[in-house]
Amino acid sequence: DIQMTQSPSTLSASVGDRVTITCRASHSISYWLAWYQQKPGKAPKLLIYKASSLESGVPSRFSGSGSGTEFTLTISSLQPDDFATYYCQQYTTPSGAFGQGTKLEI
Amino acid sequence: QLQLQESGPGLVKPSETLSLICTVSGGSISSNNDYWAWVRQPPGKGLEWIGYIHFTGNTYYSPSLKSRVTISVDTSKNQFSLQLTSVTAADTAVYYCARRVVTTGGVDYWGQGALVTVSS
Repeated sequence: DIQMTQSPSTLSASVGDRVTITCRASHSISYWLAWYQQKPGKAPKLLIYKASSLESGVPSRFSGSGSGTEFTLTISSLQPDDFATYYCQQYTTPSGAFGQGTKLEI
Repeated sequence: QLQLQESGPGLVKPSETLSLICTVSGGSISSNNDYWAWVRQPPGKGLEWIGYIHFTGNTYYSPSLKSRVTISVDTSKNQFSLQLTSVTAADTAVYYCARRVVTTGGVDYWGQGALVTVSS
């Protein structure tokens, strides 16, 4: 089955920084990838779908790119509200595997 | 505004069956463009996709749980449900129900989550 690997597992950054999180798939998933943000005790929030499409209501500082096996989520200028855990998810197969998560901390 | 709410026992004994219901409000579960999904998250760990169902009854399960999972839908009640058999402590998790959009694939609406603990 398809495995998803995120890097880094933890990322330390400051307000205003530009940060990038990488997600790699063990097999090609075309552009069938989503990114989610999760804060402690809360359900995940959809940020990006189809690798690069911004979900309605999500700030434009979030962007996604990639296809095939390598994908990135970029936050252009970190805001205090962005410190959270981020997950990628492939949905080309029923397994719907998530990456292990990237914790973005101050 | 679409809302999803999980309900069910918070404590299940080992070897028994975990059962949860998700009630959908603010929209119809009988939408051609929607899948209805279950996702879980063990305490302090990452997300795990369980599976999803279309209102027509078509189901899709994660291979790792397929032998123990059943997802079903009740359109008359605007609900869908999860059954997980032969549970162990490893099945202790927050269980989320959610909507996945067929055309985009993104999971855009989530329930608040229900903690289910497996313990004797």
